[in-house]
Amino acid sequence: SQTIHQWPATLVQPVGSPLSLECTVEGTSNPNLYWYRQAAGRGLQLLFYSVGIGQISSEVPQNLSASRPQDRQFILSSKKLLLSDSGFYLCAWSRGWNEQYFGPGTRLTVT
Amino acid sequence: AQTVTQSQPEMSVQEAETVTLSCTYDTSESDYYLFWYKQPPSRQMILVIRQEAYKQQNATENRFSVNFQKAAKSFSLKISDSQLGDAAMYFCARLRGGGADGLTFGKGTHLIIQP
Repeated sequence: SQTIHQWPATLVQPVGSPLSLECTVEGTSNPNLYWYRQAAGRGLQLLFYSVGIGQISSEVPQNLSASRPQDRQFILSSKKLLLSDSGFYLCAWSRGWNEQYFGPGTRLTVT
Repeated sequence: AQTVTQSQPEMSVQEAETVTLSCTYDTSESDYYLFWYKQPPSRQMILVIRQEAYKQQNATENRFSVNFQKAAKSFSLKISDSQLGDAAMYFCARLRGGGADGLTFGKGTHLIIQP
C-alpha cells in the first residue's frame, strides 16, 4: 500500500529565516506530487505540482519554491519567510488523473 | 477563474439523521472529476467520494452518496445515518480532465453532529 510522509509536523520560524519542508511517498513510482497551503479557516490553495523529477509547475507566484530531487520526494522551500507564509501545508500524490491522497501536513507559524 | 462554491459555512444535524452539503462549480470543460474530502480535527484530508463527469450514475460509498447535476454544475453530498465520527470540515473539489493539475477546492462546510 502507498504511504505519504511529511515532516516536520509543526514548525515555528522567525520572519526572514529559511524554510524546508519535505514530503516523501512510499509504495508507488512516478507519482504526481502536489503542495497545497491552507490558511486558517479557509480552503486549500494549490502552490506547486510536479509530474516527474525536476519538473515543477507553480500556481501562485510568491517567495516559495519547490523541488523534486528524487521520484518520490518533494520539497517546499523559502529563502526568507514572511508572516503571510504561516499556515498548514499539505503534500499530496496521485496516479494520473485520479483522486489525490494527502499527507498529515505541517503546521507552520512564522513569528 | 474556474471556481468551486460551497454556500453553507456550517451545517448541523442530529445523530442518525440525513444531511446534504451543497457544492456548485464553474467549468468550461466537458471532462472533469469531482470529489468530496473530509478534514477532521486532525486536519488529515480524507477522500470521501469521487464522481467522473462523463458518468451519469451518481457515486455511492456506504452512507455517502452524491447528487450530480452536470447541466446545473451542482455536486451535493448526502450523508445518511449521521454518526458522531462524521463531524468534520467537508471540502468539495474539482480536477480538470486531461492533465495532472491540482485540485480546486471550495472553502468548506463545517459539519456538526448533535448527539
